[in-house]
Amino acid sequence: DTAVSQTPKYLVTQMGNDKSIKCEQNLGHDTMYWYKQDSKKFLKIMFSYNNKELIINETVPNRFSPKSPDKAHLNLHINSLELGDSAVYFCASSPQRRLAGSGGEQYFGPGTRLTVT
Amino acid sequence: QKEVEQNSGPLSVPEGAIASLNCTYSDRVSQSFFWYRQYSGKSPELIMSIYSNGDKEDGRFTAQLNKASQYVSLLIRDSQPSDSATYLCAVAASEAGNNRKLIWGLGTSLAVNP
Repeated sequence: DTAVSQTPKYLVTQMGNDKSIKCEQNLGHDTMYWYKQDSKKFLKIMFSYNNKELIINETVPNRFSPKSPDKAHLNLHINSLELGDSAVYFCASSPQRRLAGSGGEQYFGPGTRLTVT
Repeated sequence: QKEVEQNSGPLSVPEGAIASLNCTYSDRVSQSFFWYRQYSGKSPELIMSIYSNGDKEDGRFTAQLNKASQYVSLLIRDSQPSDSATYLCAVAASEAGNNRKLIWGLGTSLAVNP
């Protein structure tokens, strides 16, 4: 019973293609996130949803579009893939939107390694 | 620009020793601080959270927070080879009191030698 799951685990595709990554959490959390971890291992927040409402939208190319059909699911669609999109994408969830104090801990999925050729 | 800084390492300690990992942050009003462990090729895993000044102990791990000096540290006692990983420090960004996102350090690589 995986807490935060992502599919696929690996994604190899060519430049210009469109692809999606799916995330599901069964922790009953209200808030979900997408992160990008590049080759230098820096974790960069991309988006966050709280109960289907977009609450964080960092400076990300608009080729990236998140969608949250319900609070347990957060998907990421990427259009016109570029070489620079190659990275590991992590989904995470936390009990609440406000990270101050107890309830702000984030729990990560296993990651999706995207390789664009 | 809010920042979290860590020494990238590698920090090398012998098995059984105490490993000390440090993190400084720039946001003076941050309230929540987290340590995550990331094994190579795996996802970050939460190991400690701390919210008030002082020490917080959990098994072999102790987190220390000093808000006046804006640093947070993680001590690992009786280090084991299985502790070899990258340790990420994360700080909740205050941003008008919203505290909605974490600011991450680049991580410190720890190697525990048998």
